[in-house]
Amino acid sequence: RKEVEQDPGPFNVPEGATVAFNCTYSNSASQSFFWYRQDCRKEPKLLMSVYSSGNEDGRFTAQLNRASQYISLLIRDSKLSDSATYLCVVNDGSQGNLIFGKGTKLSVKP
Amino acid sequence: GAVVSQHPSRVICKSGTSVKIECRSLDFQATTMFWYRQFPKKSLMLMATSNEGSKATYEQGVEKDKFLINHASLTLSTLTVTSAHPEDSSFYICSARGHLRGKGEKLFFGSGTQLSVL
Repeated sequence: RKEVEQDPGPFNVPEGATVAFNCTYSNSASQSFFWYRQDCRKEPKLLMSVYSSGNEDGRFTAQLNRASQYISLLIRDSKLSDSATYLCVVNDGSQGNLIFGKGTKLSVKP
Repeated sequence: GAVVSQHPSRVICKSGTSVKIECRSLDFQATTMFWYRQFPKKSLMLMATSNEGSKATYEQGVEKDKFLINHASLTLSTLTVTSAHPEDSSFYICSARGHLRGKGEKLFFGSGTQLSVL
């Protein structure tokens, strides 16, 4: 069974904190990896793609470990507006369809 | 602005009725469209994949006679929930894959449709 596993949380952190989310995937043939952000009852929005060399976009850093089939997202200096559910997304390798994790809920408190 | 338009955003209907949800790609041709369903506190689950002009490919466990998908043009796909029942109440989201000028091939999501069947 092709799966993407995430800790559902919730992660409750104060403003300014650094928080990290992890994700594991089971399909070793997966080639593309993403983090999406989803606000309640809204469509997912692409936060960032995840590259083998790791990549950073402002306060967000994504890492990929192919050997361990593991992806991470680090958020530094968290803001109230970062409160959302973060979805780990992996393509299924064979057909290019995206497999979504159940998401990790983040709540940033003042 | 939105590149994928999904309507309606919310539907409340009686059990036994059919509901049609539209998904339109704006300013680009969607070679492939995907339909997802999301129950509360659950992940997005792919229901079916459709390519323009051909029959949709349904995921295991999704009834093709209940969830009718039509992808008649490169900019429009529709999902019809036939004879809806309360257990069909869910958040339905479409996404479209295509080339958007200046952004390459991307996957864009509609804003979703919350279906409530009474």
